[in-house]
Amino acid sequence: EIVMTQSPATLSVSPGERVTLSCRASQSVSSNLAWYQQRPGQAPRLLIYGASTRATGTPTRFSGSGSETEFTFTISSLQSDDFAVYYCQQCNYRPWTFGQGTKVEIK
Amino acid sequence: QPQLQESGPGLVKPPETLSLTCTVSGASISNSPDYWAWIRQPPGKGLEWIGSMYYTGTFFYNPSLRGRATISVDMSKNQFSLKVSSVTAADTAVYYCARRHRFDGRFDFWGQGTLVTVSS
Repeated sequence: EIVMTQSPATLSVSPGERVTLSCRASQSVSSNLAWYQQRPGQAPRLLIYGASTRATGTPTRFSGSGSETEFTFTISSLQSDDFAVYYCQQCNYRPWTFGQGTKVEIK
Repeated sequence: QPQLQESGPGLVKPPETLSLTCTVSGASISNSPDYWAWIRQPPGKGLEWIGSMYYTGTFFYNPSLRGRATISVDMSKNQFSLKVSSVTAADTAVYYCARRHRFDGRFDFWGQGTLVTVSS
C-alpha cells in the first residue's frame, strides 16, 4: 500500500494570503495524484487531478504541481470559502490511498 | 452529471452486518465506462477507500477490511450496495458512495455521505 503524507497538519492563514500544501508518496505514483477540498459536514470535492489539471468548476486560484513522490497544492489568494481540509490521493495503484489531510484555518 | 445518494440504517450493533445502498441518477451503472466506489471517514479522521465495482461484474476491495466488505449491484434499480460484516466500533464512520473515473483512481462525483454508528 502506498502511504501518502501531508504537511503541515494545520495551517493558520489570513484571507488574501498565498497557501502552499505538500504531499509525499511512499513510492512513485507518476502524475496520478488528486487533491480534494472538504468543508465541515460536506463530502470531499475533487479540485485537481493528474497532479495539475483543474477539475470542472475549480477556480483558477487553485493549482497543483509535482510528480513521482513530491507534490504541491497552492491557493494563490485565500478566499473565505477556502477554509477547509485538503486531502491528496494517489490514483496510480490500488488500494487507492489518501493523505491524512491539511486543515487550513483562519489566522 | 451523475448524482449519488446513500441510504441505510444509521445504527448497527456489533457484530452484525452493516448494509448501505447508493442510488445513482444522471448516469446508468449498466453501461457506464466508469467505476462505482465506497469510501468511509471515521469521525474527525481521514478517508479510506473500501472498494469499487465495474458494471461487468468486476469488484476490487481494500485488503484493510480483511474480506469483510462485499459490494453488489442492482442494475434494474441503478443502485449498488455495500455490506460490511462483523462490525465493531472501529467501523463507525461516514460512508460515501462515489464515482471513480475510468482513466485513473480519482473520485469525481460523491454522495453526501451517511453516518453509521456501531454500538450495542
